[in-house]
Amino acid sequence: QKEVEQNSGPLSVPEGAIASLNCTYSDRGSQSFFWYRQYSGKSPELIMFIYSNGDKEDGRFTAQLNKASQYVSLLIRDSQPSDSATYLCAVTGNQFYFGTGTSLTVIP
Amino acid sequence: ETGVTQTPRHLVMGMTNKKSLKCEQHLGHNAMYWYKQSAKKPLELMFVYSLEERVENNSVPSRFSPECPNSSHLFLHLHTLQPEDSALYLCASSQEPSGRGWGYEQFFGPGTRLTVL
Repeated sequence: QKEVEQNSGPLSVPEGAIASLNCTYSDRGSQSFFWYRQYSGKSPELIMFIYSNGDKEDGRFTAQLNKASQYVSLLIRDSQPSDSATYLCAVTGNQFYFGTGTSLTVIP
Repeated sequence: ETGVTQTPRHLVMGMTNKKSLKCEQHLGHNAMYWYKQSAKKPLELMFVYSLEERVENNSVPSRFSPECPNSSHLFLHLHTLQPEDSALYLCASSQEPSGRGWGYEQFFGPGTRLTVL
């Protein structure tokens, strides 16, 4: 079983729509959860982190954490073509684990 | 310089060559990491240094040898690599309150694209 699982996509949404990215993790002791964005040929950049159950909002981005279900998600409202990238979920427990990423394409 | 820098950005080497990758962080962090990113695979953690001591070595082949002379610099020495070692090598840093080596957000450098012929 992979430590962190993401749907690899690709996920396509029209401009202005809500993009929903999902991530599940296996270690119940995981404490910190991160979403990174990686443009093609570039390094990952942190866009959100969440430590507590519930929602955390930052601009157009909302991270949602449900520790009981071992599930973390990222919602992107009013999606823009510039949001087209691969989104990596990362979880810390005994180690820092990354998922394989979900490729998002926002269609103008 | 700001953030995390890596040199070189691109490297092509033969299987018998010896080369080194360099990483420098300008964030005052106390932990540094080497990752390997291959196509269609998750980021693979290779080495972690916390307070200049290696705290993680994820069964990485001995042809990869890390060095951390101080909290701002990290090297990855390469020798007798294989074609399957071709990948993007990413350096990251973070500030860990306990010096344990993980838990807080990591900041990545731009990476070195390595091709082994």
